[in-house]
Amino acid sequence: KNQVEQSPQSLIILEGKNCTLQCNYTVSPFSNLRWYKQDTGRGPVSLTIMTFSENTKSNGRYTATLDADTKQSSLHITASQLSDSASYICVARGFGNEKLTFGTGTRLTIIP
Amino acid sequence: DGGITQSPKYLFRKEGQNVTLSCEQNLNHDAMYWYRQDPGQGLRLIYYSQIVNDFQKGDIAEGYSVSREKKESFPLTVTSAQKNPTAFYLCASSNGVAKNIQYFGAGTRLSVL
Repeated sequence: KNQVEQSPQSLIILEGKNCTLQCNYTVSPFSNLRWYKQDTGRGPVSLTIMTFSENTKSNGRYTATLDADTKQSSLHITASQLSDSASYICVARGFGNEKLTFGTGTRLTIIP
Repeated sequence: DGGITQSPKYLFRKEGQNVTLSCEQNLNHDAMYWYRQDPGQGLRLIYYSQIVNDFQKGDIAEGYSVSREKKESFPLTVTSAQKNPTAFYLCASSNGVAKNIQYFGAGTRLSVL
C-alpha cells in the first residue's frame, strides 16, 4: 500500500531560526515527490517538485532534498518568518499513476 | 487572473439534503480533482476527471457524485447517502504534463446542521 509519513506532526520555532521537516514514502514505482504549503483554511500551494533523479531543489528560503534509495525527503526552511506558519504537506506520485499519495502534514508555528 | 474558484466558502447541509459544491478553473487544464480533508488525515481523492464528459472514482467516492460537462467546471454533489459529510473539500486541476503539478482552490468547508 502506498504511504507517506511525515514528522514531526507539529513544530514550534522562534522567528529567524531554521527548521527541517521530514517525509518518508513507500510509493512504488516512484515518479516524483512534491512539497505543498497550506495556510489555515486555504488550499495547498506547491513549493517544490522533484523527480527520482533530483537530489535537491530550492525555492527561496525553502530547500527540499530527496534520497530515492532510502525513500526519504526533507524540507529545510531557512531564517523562518511569521508567514511561514502553515501546514507543510509531502505528496508522492507513482510512475504512470494519476493518483497522488498525501502525507498528513507538519503543522509549523513561528513565534516572534 | 488565472486560477481555481471554489464556492461557497462555507456550506451547511441539513439531514437528507443533497448539496453541490462548485469548482471553476480558467487555467485551461484538462484534469480536475476533488479531495476531502479531515483533521489529522492526508487529502483523500473523491473523484477525478481527465477529460470532458469522463470521470473516475477515487478512493472515497461513495456518497458523492460529479459531472464534467465543460472543461472549466467540475461540480461535486454530496448526497444524503454520505453519512459523515463534515469536512474541508478541495478542488484541484492540472495540465497533465509529466510532473502533473496540481493547483488547488481555496476550499469549501461543509458542516451538517
